[in-house]
Amino acid sequence: DGGITQSPKYLFRKEGQNVTLSCEQNLNHDAMYWYRQDPGQGLRLIYYSQIVNDFQKGDIAEGYSVSREKKESFPLTVTSAQKNPTAFYLCASSIEGGRLGANVLTFGAGSRLTVL
Amino acid sequence: AQSVAQPEDQVKVAEGNPLTVKCTYSVSGNPYLFWYVQYPNRGLQFLLKYITGDNLVKGSYGFEAEFNKSQTSFHLKKPSALVSDSALYFCAVRDGNQAGTALIFGKGTTLSVSS
Repeated sequence: DGGITQSPKYLFRKEGQNVTLSCEQNLNHDAMYWYRQDPGQGLRLIYYSQIVNDFQKGDIAEGYSVSREKKESFPLTVTSAQKNPTAFYLCASSIEGGRLGANVLTFGAGSRLTVL
Repeated sequence: AQSVAQPEDQVKVAEGNPLTVKCTYSVSGNPYLFWYVQYPNRGLQFLLKYITGDNLVKGSYGFEAEFNKSQTSFHLKKPSALVSDSALYFCAVRDGNQAGTALIFGKGTTLSVSS
């Protein structure tokens, strides 16, 4: 089945540690996105990538880093510089091309990060 | 800059009654508008979208939404609510005239349908 796989589903981190959240898609989608979800704040964009080896900052990129070395993979690293990292993280992907921006996002099931 | 607002944190309706979840948007170019639904501890699922054409858009699970350009709104509606419709609903917008932009989401509205 085609889809997006996020791992791990639950992750606990001590303060000061970096952690990396995995996002893999087998949909052959061009674009990939990372969103952060906090109660009452909806989804906020962290980073997105429209092609391999290129990515752009979203609204809340500080304290996060990404890479896009392969089309199917877009890992997110939450660094120790992120002051409040406890949240639910969602990865998504979409086809680009055609009518730009009109394509639907497919979401993974999410990763819940808790800082102890 | 683009933005989207969902003025209600929560909407409560009785099963069988019509439901409306409100959304207003702001973009400088042509709006591409989307509705997504999220069940607890899950990712988001696509419901429907407006890109161009007919202002009334029909989507999954009997939902529909009406694009109103003068009011810059894209309210989600369903004629008869089900208990299983209870979930968190997100409206999202993208500026169709700007290349390289991502989808911006509202804060979400929790829909509660009582039996």
